[in-house]
Amino acid sequence: QVQLQESGPGLVKPSETLSLTCAVSGFSISSDYWWGWIRHPPGKGLEWIATIYHNGRTFYNPSLKSRVTISIDTSRSQFSLGLSSVTAADTAVYYCGRQLGNDLWSYDYWGQGTLVTVSS
Amino acid sequence: QSALTQPPSVSGSPGQSVTISCTGSSSDVGGFNRVSWYHQPPGTAPRLLIYGVRNRPSGVPDRFSGSKSGNTASLTISGLQTEDEADYYCSSFTSSNSVLFGGGTKLTVL
Repeated sequence: QVQLQESGPGLVKPSETLSLTCAVSGFSISSDYWWGWIRHPPGKGLEWIATIYHNGRTFYNPSLKSRVTISIDTSRSQFSLGLSSVTAADTAVYYCGRQLGNDLWSYDYWGQGTLVTVSS
Repeated sequence: QSALTQPPSVSGSPGQSVTISCTGSSSDVGGFNRVSWYHQPPGTAPRLLIYGVRNRPSGVPDRFSGSKSGNTASLTISGLQTEDEADYYCSSFTSSNSVLFGGGTKLTVL
């Protein structure tokens, strides 16, 4: 059974860098799937952040690209998100997910989500 | 990138059918058959209902169906049940090699 679990600080100060990790279990992170991050700001809709393949190939949300880094560690079966220069607008529940293959760009498995609050 | 346009809310009675629309442009919904729909009850992670415009993952009831015409995709839920009450989101692949979500629609089962 595919399971994803986000981890990281729940509170980040403005202007600092948000760092989250997603641990994947029950499935090989090196299989033919992409792995991504999506966030859900309070009272707003979902926002896609970025996606990565096991060979390190990445795609980013154009509106966040200058601040986002996504990376993958296949030996630890995990992938990570970095978001720099955060502001209150980056407060959200952050989800990691498995992206369906075959060029479909849909997420069929999701982590439970982790709330990150940006505040001093 | 602006979010895809969804109605903020829809409602229906048990047993009825409702349709939620998702309007984009030729750079996303209209240009690719890569529209997805998700269902998100309060306090839970989204669950994939439809991918590739009209395909259901294993375990999703056939009461949920997807379609597309031009720049607008639609999710139809037939035989409404009380447990269908949730937020619904569409998403689409875009010409920028990214994913764009809709603003979400709250479904109320009366």
